[in-house]
Amino acid sequence: SAVISQKPSRDICQRGTSLTIQCQVDSQVTMMFWYRQQPGQSLTLIATANQGSEATYESGFVIDKFPISRPNLTFSTLTVSNMSPEDSSIYLCSVEVGSLVEQYFGPGTRLTVT
Amino acid sequence: GQNIDQPTEMTATEGAIVQINCTYQTSGFNGLFWYQQHAGEAPTFLSYNVLDGLEEKGRFSSFLSRSKGYSYLLLKELQMKDSASYLCAATNAGNNRKLIWGLGTSLAVNP
Repeated sequence: SAVISQKPSRDICQRGTSLTIQCQVDSQVTMMFWYRQQPGQSLTLIATANQGSEATYESGFVIDKFPISRPNLTFSTLTVSNMSPEDSSIYLCSVEVGSLVEQYFGPGTRLTVT
Repeated sequence: GQNIDQPTEMTATEGAIVQINCTYQTSGFNGLFWYQQHAGEAPTFLSYNVLDGLEEKGRFSSFLSRSKGYSYLLLKELQMKDSASYLCAATNAGNNRKLIWGLGTSLAVNP
């Protein structure tokens, strides 16, 4: 497995501002993902963070709203831009470790937009 | 279409056995995951089934029938700490990394 940390753990932000969430892994991993989990909802994949290239976004998510960086094999950031109350959610990063197919999740960032 | 169905809520008694069912429909299928998620925490991996049959791992077992598009998670000797949401997720064809997630089954274990 891997030890994954996220910063911040929670934040309350004003409408129209942006927040950058960091995900740090204690070992090099090939695949890193960003998810959103809204209250009472399932996990929704936002994008796959690719090291050294642009992230791969899922349908309904765009780079202008959720820019992602992945400068190396242990770190990624997700920015939630121009926030609205609808962006209030838990944001989770996950990784695949080595040849294991299962994903391991970070503790999540609870975002509230007022 | 792609869909995962699982019951919304279940209740069981400490020491008992509970079975949480999951049916899936995907455009292609590679395998099925079960995750446990305690309130306010991240999901943690429980099991991954690729082949038909039952896989046992301590108090937890997971079953898969590919022909029926059906899986279940069996929890034995229930403990209070097993109160959590249990998420079923299927891997999509051609892309093992993209998971289709169910809404989760909230299990309450009562004394």
